[in-house]
Formats: sequence, C-alpha cells, structure tokens
Amino acid sequence: DTEVTQTPKHLVMGMTNKKSLKCEQHMGHRAMYWYKQKAKKPPELMFVYSYEKLSINESVPSRFSPECPNSSLLNLHLHALQPEDSALYLCASSQDRASGPYNEQFFGPGTRLTVL
Amino acid sequence: SQKIEQNSEALNIQEGKTATLTCNYTNYSPAYLQWYRQDPGRGPVFLLLIRENEKEKRKERLKVTFDTTLKQSLFHITASQPADSATYLCALGGRYTGGFKTIFGAGTRLFVKA
Repeated sequence: DTEVTQTPKHLVMGMTNKKSLKCEQHMGHRAMYWYKQKAKKPPELMFVYSYEKLSINESVPSRFSPECPNSSLLNLHLHALQPEDSALYLCASSQDRASGPYNEQFFGPGTRLTVL
Repeated sequence: SQKIEQNSEALNIQEGKTATLTCNYTNYSPAYLQWYRQDPGRGPVFLLLIRENEKEKRKERLKVTFDTTLKQSLFHITASQPADSATYLCALGGRYTGGFKTIFGAGTRLFVKA
C-alpha cells in the first residue's frame, strides 16, 4: 500500500468551530508532514513529525495543533480559525526524515478547507 | 532569505516537442533537488531526485540537470503528450537541526496541445 489517505476531502467551518483533519499511511514511514497550500502557491511546511515526535514547527499559529497518536496516523486540530486560513491542507510521509537524499515524500490528496 | 524561482508561471508547447522547465535558487546550498507533478486539487507526486554531487538524472522521458554553480536545475520532458499537462514543482532539500527539510517552488503550469 503506497497511499496516504486524508479525511475529510472538503471541510467548511465557522471561525468558532473546532474540527480535526486526519491523515493515515501504512508504508511504515517514520516521518510525517503537514503542509498548507494556497492557490497558485507552493506547499508551505507547517509541521514535521519524526518517530512520532514533533521535530519542526514552522512558527504556525497555535490555532493549529498537530497530533501524532502512532506511527501511521497524523491529526491536525483546528480551533478559532480565520478566513485567511482557507487553503488545501496536505499531509505527506517519507521513509525517514533523517535519511536526507532518500527523503521522497508521498502526499495525500489533501483536505480543502474553507473558513467562513 | 532562501528563494526558489521557477522560470514562468505557465508554459505552452505542442505535442511531441520537448518541454524545458527551469528552477533557480538563491541563498541556499541544497543537498538535493526534487521534481514533483501536481494536478489540480491533488497532492504532489514525486518524479525525480538529484543529489548535489550529481549532474544529470534520467527516468523514461524525463531528464533533470543540476548545476550548483549556476544554482539552477533544468527539467526536460521529451516527446511531450497532452497527459503531461500539469503543474511541476521543484523542491530543494537541505540539512536542518534533526535532519533534512524540503522547500517547494511555486511551480510551472505546463500545457501540452494535441
């Protein structure tokens, strides 16, 4: 199984809501990533988990809270978002973040988030 | 600060021709460079990786060059087909505390006309 799955595909939420995005992979990868992508812009790295521990937080606002319950799952908890947070949220995984040149990332299809 | 530029926002070519996409970078010494394909509303798909000590890599109709002196990578698709129409992202990887991190360029949208 070489697939990264993300749920939901689409999410519409108000600024006072709390929601969660979910990501799952069964490739045995030990590094998982959250990216945010706006239209016609590159994916921007938000968080990196390596061996279920948060290793990079790219100064993301605290209204985004990541969680890695186990090596196959990655969640992104959302609370009190702003309309400018509307974007495509991509999850990715790779074999091992520390292995450098072998760091091919496998991306999920993304969650299209709209904040009203 | 680090900057990645991909030559143009969009590139139109005729089927059968070779598409050449450019990725330039500044203020960065990447350990590796990757190219990804992204279709609308989908996540990027990995195509090729080239390391800092490699000059050229090929895979089927794809060829990537990496010139660390010019700080430039060229991505070629030979015998292009309408199915090659997509956005192509270059991504640079370098060492950060605890491992490596990849930074993406904005991409070039390729349109191949039949």
